[in-house]
Amino acid sequence: AQSVTQLGSHVSVSEGALVLLRCNYSSSVPPYLFWYVQYPNQGLQLLLKYTTGATLVKGINGFEAEFKKSETSFHLTKPSAHMSDAAEYFCAVSRLVTGGGNKLTFGTGTQLKVEL
Amino acid sequence: ETGVTQSPTHLIKTRGQQVTLRCSSQSGHNTVSWYQQALGQGPQFIFQYYREEENGRGNFPPRFSGLQFPNYSSELNVNALELDDSALYLCASSIPSGTGSYGYTFGSGTRLTVV
Repeated sequence: AQSVTQLGSHVSVSEGALVLLRCNYSSSVPPYLFWYVQYPNQGLQLLLKYTTGATLVKGINGFEAEFKKSETSFHLTKPSAHMSDAAEYFCAVSRLVTGGGNKLTFGTGTQLKVEL
Repeated sequence: ETGVTQSPTHLIKTRGQQVTLRCSSQSGHNTVSWYQQALGQGPQFIFQYYREEENGRGNFPPRFSGLQFPNYSSELNVNALELDDSALYLCASSIPSGTGSYGYTFGSGTRLTVV
């Protein structure tokens, strides 16, 4: 079964420092991978996705992620953290379901705190 | 283009009651999914609708049911509410893309509290 594991439920960085949020996937076939961000009391916003092609994916707000098949990883990075990046981040993998549809399976999330 | 809108934003219900949550999909999207997000957890897939038919379901009991209308809007109905049903319910819309590579647009959710 396809799933994702997010290492670190809480990550704290200083403003201007590198952000690194970790995600590892398990999949027997090439996965479609996503990163979503959730601000307090809001829904999920798509940051970026990997489907096929280039393994380095650039998203919104300066975030990017690299698909590494050899490491089964899809870590999210941002060179310089901003206070507005404080939020919860979810890694997800898309998979087919019985009936012909598909669903996202999410990790448990990583709460990012940005300190002055 | 309008995004995904959900109503109501907050709801308090008593155990045993029934509730209906509503969702309008993003313009051009004809596939709607519902997710339950308990406090401190990632969203869990409830079901998906395409062309008014359920085409995928997660590990939720039959008291969770849904509808999709010709305009692609959707409802989530939960009968016999339990305390554990307290959660943020998220609606997500998309276009069909086989394996889901297109991605989803999420609404802001309905916060349901069961007392």
